[in-house]
Amino acid sequence: GENVEQHPSTLSVQEGDSAVIKCTYSDSASNYFPWYKQELGKRPQLIIDIRSNVGEKKDQRIAVTLNKTAKHFSLHITETQPEDSAVYFCAAKSPTRGYQKVTFGTGTKLQVIP
Amino acid sequence: DTEVTQTPKHLVMGMTNKKSLKCEQHMGHRAMYWYKQKAKKPPELMFVYSYEKLSINESVPSRFSPECPNSSLLNLHLHALQPEDSALYLCASSQDFVTQYFGPGTRLTVL
Repeated sequence: GENVEQHPSTLSVQEGDSAVIKCTYSDSASNYFPWYKQELGKRPQLIIDIRSNVGEKKDQRIAVTLNKTAKHFSLHITETQPEDSAVYFCAAKSPTRGYQKVTFGTGTKLQVIP
Repeated sequence: DTEVTQTPKHLVMGMTNKKSLKCEQHMGHRAMYWYKQKAKKPPELMFVYSYEKLSINESVPSRFSPECPNSSLLNLHLHALQPEDSALYLCASSQDFVTQYFGPGTRLTVL
């Protein structure tokens, strides 16, 4: 089945710096890659997603890149702010696993130091 | 209404109790999901309902019993739970069976 690896598990950056979180997936048929942000005690919140027919997508300070050949995708946060502190989960959806399932990465705890 | 809601927010129950978790969405989404999330771990899929029918059961123990009374409502009936079942239970919904939106969760503690 699909396997999603996520790195790093923890990341500390100074406010204003950039943060990058990387994920790799195993199933070349995966075609949808969402990123979720989960603040302590809160719900996972979809912050950005990308489909396999697109290489990059941006939304203000957040961007996601996808390299289908290497089977990896990354989340980039620029000009980080303290409110960006949270756990971030990547995920991949493969049609071969059943069209309704996504596989989550293990999460990255991001700390933005003021 | 663009949110998934869940009740209760917190639930404490004994191992002999029977309780239910409730999830509601009024976005017309056709798929609804139950996830279990332990601390510092990603959500784990438990069940998927598609057009009010159970389509996926991820080999969940029978002490968890899902129910979808209508297209807006999803329940999770609990009985004879174990302390290791303590977790955050998340509901999610999707219109296109791709993008999922999560509810706030129910924090369950089994004593």
